Amino acid sequence: DTGVSQDPRHKITKRGQNVTFRCDPISEHNRLYWYRQTLGQGPEFLTYFQNEAQLEKSRLLSDRFSAERPKGSFSTLEIQRTEQGDSAMYLCASSPWGVSYEQYFGPGTRLTVT
Amino acid sequence: DAKTTQPNSMESNEEEPVHLPCNHSTISGTDYIHWYRQLPSQGPEYVIHGLTSNVNNRMASLAIAEDRKSSTLILHRATLRDAAVYYCILRDGTTNAGGTSYGKLTFGQGTILTVHP
Repeated sequence: DTGVSQDPRHKITKRGQNVTFRCDPISEHNRLYWYRQTLGQGPEFLTYFQNEAQLEKSRLLSDRFSAERPKGSFSTLEIQRTEQGDSAMYLCASSPWGVSYEQYFGPGTRLTVT
Repeated sequence: DAKTTQPNSMESNEEEPVHLPCNHSTISGTDYIHWYRQLPSQGPEYVIHGLTSNVNNRMASLAIAEDRKSSTLILHRATLRDAAVYYCILRDGTTNAGGTSYGKLTFGQGTILTVHP
């Protein structure tokens, strides 16, 4: 399967701990997006990478959040000093170049902060 | 981002057509209309998109009103596997000052489609 993969699929952590998620996009896709989805809501945009450059960040991305995409391949999303409000599904999507191309989503990482 | 309005939920019977409406009265001339769906415990999945003309693909059809202020996603024969949340999204097709459109998706609440056997 050559779709978008995310690791881990589930993460339970205690409040105050740091967590890191990984996303492997479809190999030829140079666009990568992170979204967050809470229960009963649609996904919300967090940040966008074009190759290795982080070109857009949502106001939702507080200074406890950092994302990277070294070498324009896989991406990581780190949350420092987690809070209970960070509990959500974190989704990664990738797409090829172009204004109308669809985004391909991964299965997501479910984060639970206790 | 331009906003869309969808019914909270709809129901259908298996093997019957389903018409999922979406209103987007503030759509701009460069907005593409995208539909995604999300099955339980999965990430969203692209369904179809269009700009002005009606579109068909293997999954569905998209009917766009002449004034582009509304659209309808049509599932020709619903199956149990089509039960999902369907999102209608306007995606900006303009370029920014740097000559690039970032293409983020702004999801609303979507329509929960229930399919009865």
